[in-house]
Amino acid sequence: ETGVTQTPRHLVMGMTNKKSLKCEQHLGHNAMYWYKQSAKKPLELMFVYNFKEQTENNSVPSRFSPECPNSSHLFLHLHTLQPEDSALYLCASSQGSSGNTIYFGEGSWLTVV
Amino acid sequence: GQQVMQIPQYQHVQEGEDFTTYCNSSTTLSNIQWYKQRPGGHPVFLIQLVKSGEVKKQKRLTFQFGEAKKNSSLHITATQTTDVGTYFCAYSGAGSYQLTFGKGTKLSVIP
Repeated sequence: ETGVTQTPRHLVMGMTNKKSLKCEQHLGHNAMYWYKQSAKKPLELMFVYNFKEQTENNSVPSRFSPECPNSSHLFLHLHTLQPEDSALYLCASSQGSSGNTIYFGEGSWLTVV
Repeated sequence: GQQVMQIPQYQHVQEGEDFTTYCNSSTTLSNIQWYKQRPGGHPVFLIQLVKSGEVKKQKRLTFQFGEAKKNSSLHITATQTTDVGTYFCAYSGAGSYQLTFGKGTKLSVIP
């Protein structure tokens, strides 16, 4: 139990599908993150939310759309993805500013067919 | 911009041998963190180093932060099969939420 819960754990979707990844943290943290992990780029930061406001967007394609309704929940909406988007998507949270420990969820394995 | 290089990318050791992974930065770091990711798992925080020349130990693991705060190392003494996984260093800039990870060192331990 990491304190950060991600669903679904595995997802297979077609390129025309629309799906969402969900993340919930039970640690009382104020910052939440989406990371992408693939063979080509081990841990790539996608989005950062602080107190549900987006503070970083690392040039992520618009086919990935994040949503943070409150400090405990984070979504990643997916639409018209490409096969190269297949990867492990990790949600994480932390408390406070730089240098604080990041706690990762177990990840959602996404396969785009 | 700031760049952190992590080496080696892969390391295969016989059980009982020692293992070291290094992170080297082109600029001074405010702090550095180390994470371990088991095969099929997610990254888990191990430790954070903040002070110049800092050395911290966790059982068989020894973490060092260089005097110039530009490099760091993780050393495992007498590796065990439970040490298998990928070890990442990570750092963030002052006031930034962005934690940048090294590419990781994948450790295999041959029993």
